[in-house]
Amino acid sequence: DAMVIQNPRYQVTQFGKPVTLSCSQTLNHNVMYWYQQKSSQAPKLLFHYYDKDFNNEADTPDNFQSRRPNTSFCFLDIRSPGLGDAAMYLCATTQARGLGSVDEKLFFGSGTQLSVL
Amino acid sequence: GNSVTQMEGPVTLSEEAFLTINCTYTATGYPSLFWYVQYPGEGLQLLLKATKADDKGSNKGFEATYRKETTSFHLEKGSVQVSDSAVYFCARRNTGRRALTFGSGTRLQVQP
Repeated sequence: DAMVIQNPRYQVTQFGKPVTLSCSQTLNHNVMYWYQQKSSQAPKLLFHYYDKDFNNEADTPDNFQSRRPNTSFCFLDIRSPGLGDAAMYLCATTQARGLGSVDEKLFFGSGTQLSVL
Repeated sequence: GNSVTQMEGPVTLSEEAFLTINCTYTATGYPSLFWYVQYPGEGLQLLLKATKADDKGSNKGFEATYRKETTSFHLEKGSVQVSDSAVYFCARRNTGRRALTFGSGTRLQVQP
């Protein structure tokens, strides 16, 4: 059974039209991540949540926002998608063991492939 | 910076061949090192890890040794199978950081 679920598997949006990608988890982990992966490139961390604490990466564009309404769900909002935002978006979770240290294992969803027309 | 560099793919091997996928990292701090594997249509999953120098991670016949002197964490398997065909990602995590930095991935294709 899938433990980190991303919907939809494929998402098509228009240039400039806001889009939301969703991620849910059944693991009750307190850390959730969003990575962006472009073709043949390394997954790039956009941000992560430690419980409700939002942690943005310094080079993540303002066009990307995130929400975590509860432990199980995390959303990635792209306010005005550009052609350069077409990519695979990966959600992952892990459990922090206090003092900010985390378990060594990340659990990934299958990703959402975003196309921008 | 905290980067990870992998050999470019695809790597194409015949079944039962020996596999090496090279991975090097920048010598910043004392990172934990990982290999993740992504099978077609699935999410990334942890294959093996090593948390300090000279540690050897192993799983499913794969091995990798944390080499501080060469800043490397090469993935090896003595005899690959068709079912090993996947994309392999090397990754690091610095102490005190919650997130992983990934390499760009190496696609392995094993032919019968």
